[in-house]
Amino acid sequence: TQLLEQSPQFLSIQEGENLTVYCNSSSVFSSLQWYRQEPGEGPVLLVTVVTGGEVKKLKRLTFQFGDARKDSSLHITAAQPGDTGLYLCAGRPDNDYKLSFGAGTTVTVRA
Amino acid sequence: EAQVTQNPRYLITVTGKKLTVTCSQNMNHEYMSWYRQDPGLGLRQIYYSMNVEVTDKGDVPEGYKVSRKEKRNFPLILESPSPNQTSLYFCASSLSARETQYFGPGTRLLVL
Repeated sequence: TQLLEQSPQFLSIQEGENLTVYCNSSSVFSSLQWYRQEPGEGPVLLVTVVTGGEVKKLKRLTFQFGDARKDSSLHITAAQPGDTGLYLCAGRPDNDYKLSFGAGTTVTVRA
Repeated sequence: EAQVTQNPRYLITVTGKKLTVTCSQNMNHEYMSWYRQDPGLGLRQIYYSMNVEVTDKGDVPEGYKVSRKEKRNFPLILESPSPNQTSLYFCASSLSARETQYFGPGTRLLVL
């Protein structure tokens, strides 16, 4: 059983549309991270959120950490083909330093 | 350039033939880790190392060994590979266990 559940598993949208990816758990996390992974490469860190309710923006990407620090979301505004990739969330539980990953969301943005 | 390198990038082998996947980092990181990535399961940690000569099991260590004789290198050893070890493997390193991890490019392994 995954500690972090991501949804949806796959997402295919047209260029210019918006999308949201969710990362949920019943556990509390001291921090939560989002990565993007492109084919043939390792995951690359996009952002780390540490405070409940925290919102971080990275250009067209908005990341939110739930108030209870059990969930997070990634919202992309006006998606572009360059946003295509596998998005992974990963969290460190409150009582552990190990990083647990979600299964990932494959995002495809069609031109 | 600061990086994590893995070799080989692709490997096809047969059941039972011992193999080693090398991992090296040039960032003087103390923490290193191996993950396997499988469809629908995300990344699962195999082994990790807090520092030289200190290694510990992750979530899926069965069938794997590691060593950390030098700070920069963290090889993954499959003594007797089996088809269920067919996967995409990633090495990662960070300054410490709680710091940002930097991932290598991955090694795709097929065990026949």
